[in-house]
Amino acid sequence: DGGITQSPKYLFRKEGQNVTLSCEQNLNHDAMYWYRQDPGQGLRLIYYSQIVNDFQKGDIAEGYSVSREKKESFPLTVTSAQKNPTAFYLCASTGQGQDVYTFGSGTRLTVV
Amino acid sequence: AQSVTQPDIHITVSEGASLELRCNYSYGATPYLFWYVQSPGQGLQLLLKYFSGDTLVQGIKGFEAEFKRSQSSFNLRKPSVHWSDAAEYFCAVGPPSSNTGNQFYFGTGTSLTVIP
Repeated sequence: DGGITQSPKYLFRKEGQNVTLSCEQNLNHDAMYWYRQDPGQGLRLIYYSQIVNDFQKGDIAEGYSVSREKKESFPLTVTSAQKNPTAFYLCASTGQGQDVYTFGSGTRLTVV
Repeated sequence: AQSVTQPDIHITVSEGASLELRCNYSYGATPYLFWYVQSPGQGLQLLLKYFSGDTLVQGIKGFEAEFKRSQSSFNLRKPSVHWSDAAEYFCAVGPPSSNTGNQFYFGTGTSLTVIP
């Protein structure tokens, strides 16, 4: 079945370390997105990519970086510059027409 | 500026009772409208969407929503709630697909508790 795979489901990071969250889709979708979810704050857009080798900052891009070398993959790196990285991270994609989001099951990142 | 407001942070209903979750939006054009549901520790699942046409849309799991342009609202309803409906519900708006740079905007969510 087609879908979005996020890995790992749980991730622990020491302060000062960079960590990369994986997002892979086999839906042949053009656009991919990364959201951060915190209790009571809903979803906030970190980065999005409309096509390969192109991406745009969202509302809270500071301390994060992304790449889009392949259509299927949109990894997110949480850098040591992100001051409060503990959160639930969701990856999403949209296909032609880009009118409906498909979400992955998320990665919970905890800084220890 | 585009925004979505879900005024109810948390709602508790009895099993079998009716449910209405409120959503108001601010958008410069006629948006696409969505409701998503999220179980704990999971991603978001699409319940229903409104693009155009009939303002009352049916979704999965017996949910429906009504678009009221004059009130900038897209409230979600269910006539009889089941215990399995307990989850977090998110309203979202997005631009018509003909637009580029299509960022979607999500509300802060409404947490639903169902009591026996």
